Amino acid sequence: GQNIDQPTEMTATEGAIVQINCTYQTSGFNGLFWYQQHAGEAPTFLSYNVLDGLEEKGRFSSFLSRSKGYSYLLLKELQMKDSASYLCAVTGGATNKLIFGTGTLLAVQP
Amino acid sequence: DAGITQSPRHKVTETGTPVTLRCHQTENHRYMYWYRQDPGHGLRLIHYSYGVKDTDKGEVSDGYSVSRSKTEDFLLTLESATSSQTSVYFCASGSTNTEAFFGQGTRLTVV
Repeated sequence: GQNIDQPTEMTATEGAIVQINCTYQTSGFNGLFWYQQHAGEAPTFLSYNVLDGLEEKGRFSSFLSRSKGYSYLLLKELQMKDSASYLCAVTGGATNKLIFGTGTLLAVQP
Repeated sequence: DAGITQSPRHKVTETGTPVTLRCHQTENHRYMYWYRQDPGHGLRLIHYSYGVKDTDKGEVSDGYSVSRSKTEDFLLTLESATSSQTSVYFCASGSTNTEAFFGQGTRLTVV
């Protein structure tokens, strides 16, 4: 089976850096995704990791360690608009089953 | 943005009636997924498809069935709607080793 854990809520200050962690257990691993979801909207794609290491994309970076079943999303220079839920998701197996964690609600304060 | 649409966007139905939600994508994606999202539970996988006529159950499949007769369409059916199926339903589609793109969601209320 698959299990994904991430913190329920986090709070950070505008202009700061925040790291959102995700641990997973899966039978078969194809890749790990991070999505952003604002209230009342559909999730939007942020990053995708297949290999170990850090992927950087502007203010957002994502790290993966497959041996540890661990990933994190790093958000730099936080802005108020970054207040949203951040969803960690894993695909696995030949059928590419895509499972999400419960999401981390990030509140950015002035 | 990927071409993926859900219909209807909003629906109110009575307990015990059948309901079908439609997901349509124009990206020729192989994989399609149906999720429901409820407060405190995140996105939970109902059913998914890995090809035409190839489907499998997710975490919360009881009370739901799906069909995929064409690459572009993935239908979710509630055979006999119950109040516990009141939720926001999201469809997604994707290809191997690429991100899944989401539809805008369907808000279903069962009264």
